[in-house]
Amino acid sequence: DIQMTQSPSSLSASVGDRVTITCRASQDISTSLAWFQQKPGKAPEALIYAASSLQSGVPSKFSGSGSGSDFTLTINNLQPEDVATYFCQQYINYPFIFGPGTKVDI
Amino acid sequence: EVQLVESGGGLVQPGGSLRLSCAASGFMFSDHHMDWVRQAPGKGLEWIARSRNKPSGHTTEYAASVRGRFTTSRDDSKNSFYLEMNSLKTDDTAVYYCSSSAVGNCHDHWGQGTLVTVSS
Repeated sequence: DIQMTQSPSSLSASVGDRVTITCRASQDISTSLAWFQQKPGKAPEALIYAASSLQSGVPSKFSGSGSGSDFTLTINNLQPEDVATYFCQQYINYPFIFGPGTKVDI
Repeated sequence: EVQLVESGGGLVQPGGSLRLSCAASGFMFSDHHMDWVRQAPGKGLEWIARSRNKPSGHTTEYAASVRGRFTTSRDDSKNSFYLEMNSLKTDDTAVYYCSSSAVGNCHDHWGQGTLVTVSS
């Protein structure tokens, strides 16, 4: 199975900051990488697919980059409504594996 | 508007069975792959099953943790997706989400989840 790691596991930033989260796959997954946001007590929501494509309706403050085994999610102009846990997931091979998550606080 | 609504969760004893349903609306259901993803209390997300779309023959995939115990199915005529869970274990306690994936995308829409508690 492909293993996914994320760093950091948690971070605290200020309103207006730019935040970067890293996701690493244990092998080459090309660009088969998605990012999700999960707010406390809520279902996950899709942010990014194919490593850098923004899901419909997602604000452009979110962006993704990377290919192969190293990926990043960037959140510009951090706002209180961005407080959430962010997960990456590979979907090139079964089983689809999620990263352990990065908790973002203000 | 895309909607996915899960139902069927509840309390079940170890070794018991449960059937979850996911009612879909707002998109061409037969063209989408459908997945079940679960989240144990305080834990991360675990993908557990996929039913591919109609052009892919509705073939299925499972995580090792549920293979042989869980079965996923779908009824495109009813825009519905199901998860039959047998031989349930306490480790299966989780919120179960259904999600849809357009071709080339992954989990682009999610339901609100249904809680399954396996306990004696």
